[in-house]
Amino acid sequence: AQKVTQAQTEISVVEKEDVTLDCVYETRDTTYYLFWYKQPPSGELVFLIRRNSFDEQNEISGRYSWNFQKSTSSFNFTITASQVVDSAVYFCALQGSSNTGKLIFGQGTTLQVKP
Amino acid sequence: DAGVTQSPTHLIKTRGQQVTLRCSPKSGHDTVSWYQQALGQGPQFIFQYYEEEERQRGNFPDRFSGHQFPNYSSELNVNALLLGDSALYLCASSLRTVYNEQFFGPGTRLTVL
Repeated sequence: AQKVTQAQTEISVVEKEDVTLDCVYETRDTTYYLFWYKQPPSGELVFLIRRNSFDEQNEISGRYSWNFQKSTSSFNFTITASQVVDSAVYFCALQGSSNTGKLIFGQGTTLQVKP
Repeated sequence: DAGVTQSPTHLIKTRGQQVTLRCSPKSGHDTVSWYQQALGQGPQFIFQYYEEEERQRGNFPDRFSGHQFPNYSSELNVNALLLGDSALYLCASSLRTVYNEQFFGPGTRLTVL
C-alpha cells in the first residue's frame, strides 16, 4: 500500500523564522515521484516541487529547500525567513509507477505565519 | 494559455439529489483526474479519464461516475447525494505521456444539506 504521513497538523511561526514541514511516505514501487503542493485559502492547489526516486539531490530555490532521504523515506520541506504570504496548507504527495496518474496526499500541514 | 477551469464554483444540494461538476483541462492536456477533498483532509483520488474512458479508480462507490468528451473536458456526476459528499472537488489535468505533471483547477465547493 502507498501512504503519506504528515505528522504536523498545524505550525505557527513568527515572520522571518525558518520552518520545516515533515513528510514520511510508504511505497513498494522502486520508481516514484514525490511532490509538495501549497493550498492557500482560495482552495487551488499550487505545485511547488517534484522529485523522482532516483534524484536524491537536495535543492534550494529562493526561500524554499527540500531534503529527500530514501533511507528514512522522508521528503521534508523548509521555508527560510517565512513571510505572512506563506500562510497556507501544505500537502506532500506520492505518485508510484504502479499507479500512474494517481496522487496519494498526506493530511496536510497548516502553516500560520504571524507578523 | 488557459489553465484548468472548473464550474460551478459553489453548489448547494440536498440529500438524495444528483449533481454534475465540470472541468476543462489545460490547453494541450488529454487526461483528467478528479479528487475529493473533505474539510481538513488531503485530496483523495476518485478516478482518471483518458481517451474518453475511465482508466483508474479510487475507493469511491458507484454513485460517483464520470465522462470525458472528445475535446478532453470532463464531468463528474454524483447520484443520491449524502451529507458526507460535502467537499471541495478538484480536477487535475495532465498529458498521458507526462503523468507526473498534474495541474489543478480551483475546485468546486459542494455543500449537501
